[in-house]
Amino acid sequence: QSQLQQSGPGLVRASETLSLTCTVSAGSITSRSYHWAWIRQLPGKGLEWIGSVYYSGSAYYNPSLKRRVTLSVDTSKNQFSLKLRSVTAADTAIYFCARETGVTWFDPWGQGTLVSVSS
Amino acid sequence: QSVLTQPPSVSGAPGQGVTISCTGSDSNIGAGYDVHWYRQLPGTAPRLLIYDNTNRPSGVPDRFSGSKSGTSASLAITGLQAEDEADYYCQSFDSSLSGSRVFGTGTTVTVL
Repeated sequence: QSQLQQSGPGLVRASETLSLTCTVSAGSITSRSYHWAWIRQLPGKGLEWIGSVYYSGSAYYNPSLKRRVTLSVDTSKNQFSLKLRSVTAADTAIYFCARETGVTWFDPWGQGTLVSVSS
Repeated sequence: QSVLTQPPSVSGAPGQGVTISCTGSDSNIGAGYDVHWYRQLPGTAPRLLIYDNTNRPSGVPDRFSGSKSGTSASLAITGLQAEDEADYYCQSFDSSLSGSRVFGTGTTVTVL
């Protein structure tokens, strides 16, 4: 069973780029059965899908964030990453990585990273 | 941007049952896309509870069951326990939003 471990800074300055990485253990990121996803939760709010990436690099993005998001995969490190550009205070949230089975459900999830955007 | 609507809260006494609805539209649940459910305990990551409308992952008690009909889905919890106090989210796919995976608005379950 794969496990996901997130890493990255918890504080980002406004207008800069938020960068997070998720390391996959006990399984290969090149499995053809999965996409690798990022999901966020704004303070006190519900869940918002950011995007999903396949090991080949093919990615799908939430239309509301598409202009500012890039997802990528590093197969040599069994990692996938999120970059969110030009952040504002509205991007302050808990960010989760997750494994997506096909284009269906998310399981398991990473532990979550609280990212605060400072002005 | 939630296109799946859930009641903000439901409650029940220990041992009783509750049902959480998830209402979508013809571009998501009504189009035949499967619904999945997650439970999020305070301060933790969501955990998959039901996948493909009715299936329980290994380790999830049979007190949890899911169903789907038309443009809606439901999660039923029987024999409420204190540990069931959490937020619950449904999730599906929406064909009108360019490959978007969509979550419900979330429901807080309170055990009285």
